[in-house]
Amino acid sequence: EVQLVESGGGLVQPGGSLRLSCADSGFSFSSYWMSWVRQAPGKGLEWVANIKQDGSEKYYVDSVKGRFTISRDNAKNSLYLEMNSLRVEDTAMYYCARWACGGDCFFDYWGQGALVTVSS
Amino acid sequence: SYELTQAPSMSVSPGQTARITCSGDALPKRFACWYQQKSGQAPVLVIYEDIKRPSGIPERISGSSSGTVATLTISGAQVEDEADYYCYSTDSNNNHVVFGGGTKLTVL
Repeated sequence: EVQLVESGGGLVQPGGSLRLSCADSGFSFSSYWMSWVRQAPGKGLEWVANIKQDGSEKYYVDSVKGRFTISRDNAKNSLYLEMNSLRVEDTAMYYCARWACGGDCFFDYWGQGALVTVSS
Repeated sequence: SYELTQAPSMSVSPGQTARITCSGDALPKRFACWYQQKSGQAPVLVIYEDIKRPSGIPERISGSSSGTVATLTISGAQVEDEADYYCYSTDSNNNHVVFGGGTKLTVL
């Protein structure tokens, strides 16, 4: 059974930093692109970042470029999101998701999310 | 930038058919997917590559696409289908991901 379990969320002041982790099991982690998707309270889904199987390619939504860094450790079956210079508008539930790519790519499995609150 | 447009909400009575649409200029060239998100839960993939249904998704949920519009159809909607539904697609290089704004389906 595929399982994605996020951790590391919490309350942080504007300008602060936080690191999210996602522990994955039940599939060959190193064979898949992985992603972070967020959802602000009461709002829709917003893709944040993707990372290739070997970490050689990374893509970000414009609003987090230069502030967030996605990374992975295939030996530990883990995905990470380092978030710096956090803003109030980064407040959201952050989901780890597996990105399945054949011709097109789509998110086929999601974690339950980690809540990040940026507030003074 | 690439955008997908959905109506914010719709309502049907139990047993009726709900059709949720998603419009986007690139949809004639790109597949669409659909996600169901019930209150307080993570999204669940219900349709991928326009028409395919993952295992465990009921047959009353189906997808179609024509031109710039993708459609999610729930035949014989049930109270348990009440949720937010998001369409999804990518740009031509799969480098950037786009979600529609979501449609809140009420079944009552």
